[in-house]
Amino acid sequence: EDKVVQSPLSLVVHEGDTVTLNCSYEVTNFRSLLWYKQEKKAPTFLFMLTSSGIEKKSGRLSSILDKKELFSILNITATQTGDSAVYLCAVEVIMASGTYKYIFGTGTRLKVLA
Amino acid sequence: DVKVTQSSRYLVKRTGEKVFLECVQDMDHENMFWYRQDPGLGLRLIYFSYDVKMKEKGDIPEGYSVSREKKERFSLILESASTNQTSMYLCASRLWGTDTQYFGPGTRLTVL
Repeated sequence: EDKVVQSPLSLVVHEGDTVTLNCSYEVTNFRSLLWYKQEKKAPTFLFMLTSSGIEKKSGRLSSILDKKELFSILNITATQTGDSAVYLCAVEVIMASGTYKYIFGTGTRLKVLA
Repeated sequence: DVKVTQSSRYLVKRTGEKVFLECVQDMDHENMFWYRQDPGLGLRLIYFSYDVKMKEKGDIPEGYSVSREKKERFSLILESASTNQTSMYLCASRLWGTDTQYFGPGTRLTVL
């Protein structure tokens, strides 16, 4: 059975700290791995990763994928209170019908204290 | 900008009622998805549709059905709502062949 596991489940840090969020997966027919940020409502897209070892970066956030060890990390440097959210990892898999679906992890809840 | 809207933000229904959750997207996306999100369980796929009148079961389709009569609208139907269907329901859409899903704001459904 396909599964995506995120750790830690929750995390509390102070502003300025650096955090690393983990996502490991076991799936058949991997296509890509995606990270989302979810605040009060809808998840918003952060990164999509398809190749091992290539870092994606956006401001203070960065992410990398290891397809051999089947995991990805999301780094946030110099955290701010606005980074407080649930961070979701999703793995896109190819189905027999040729379409794709997403399998989500349970998320990591990050709280950044002022 | 892609916009995905859902008919209600909050909904309270009684056990046994038929419930319709509507999702509309305005970007001509072929693929649409329905998820539920529960604490400790993350997002779980209920059904998805890769084009008009097409539907495919996700991981937890039991107790739900869907309808996709028009490209922009994907409806989730609870034929007879039960208390274990109390959850946050999220709709998403995606352009065929691309990788990014766009989510709606969610509907928090409570079944009493």
